[in-house]
Amino acid sequence: DAGVTQSPTHLIKTRGQQVTLRCSPKSGHDTVSWYQQALGQGPQFIFQYYEEEERQRGNFPDRFSGHQFPNYSSELNVNALLLGDSALYLCASSIGLAGAGETQYFGPGTRLLVL
Amino acid sequence: EDQVTQSPEALRLQEGESSSLNCSYTVSGLRGLFWYRQDPGKGPEFLFTLYSAGEEKEKERLKATLTKKESFLHITAPKPEDSATYLCAVASGNTGKLIFGQGTTLQVKP
Repeated sequence: DAGVTQSPTHLIKTRGQQVTLRCSPKSGHDTVSWYQQALGQGPQFIFQYYEEEERQRGNFPDRFSGHQFPNYSSELNVNALLLGDSALYLCASSIGLAGAGETQYFGPGTRLLVL
Repeated sequence: EDQVTQSPEALRLQEGESSSLNCSYTVSGLRGLFWYRQDPGKGPEFLFTLYSAGEEKEKERLKATLTKKESFLHITAPKPEDSATYLCAVASGNTGKLIFGQGTTLQVKP
């Protein structure tokens, strides 16, 4: 049973550039959530996708956008990169429109470094 | 505002020395409390989900408990391979987001 997968594993960008990160959910899961984790901190919720729509959003600017495809995989796009966007970006998958405490399973993350 | 606080921030134990990690939370309508283990540079690995006060769950040397205000992760006779950061998170209300604490970094020395 394949778990959550993310690509790429590492990425280096310069300020002002744009980046796209990808996620495939665990088999049988249809909801994808994205989190940003700065060094030494707990993950911070960015947004959640279900049925190809953004359902929830955290306190992140519009530079952060996403998409979910019919096969439930998802992309996270970040425009106009800032140095402060350097972090580990985590994708988590779960079943159904979360609201009843479904467990979220995380992927290995994409380490983004902005120079 | 929903909030999760973990203590201590760091914990050093000798192999075999049992201890507990604390997760205090303030949420409007707890939908679930989650414990994850995270190794350096990797994604969080799911450990437990607790839904109501009084609930307990066990896995090998780990036992998680839940009250109305906090959760404990008890580690019995830890081994060096238990060294990791342990994250606590809550889901509240009808939102799908998890709110995480800052984690407790555990180091177990042989």
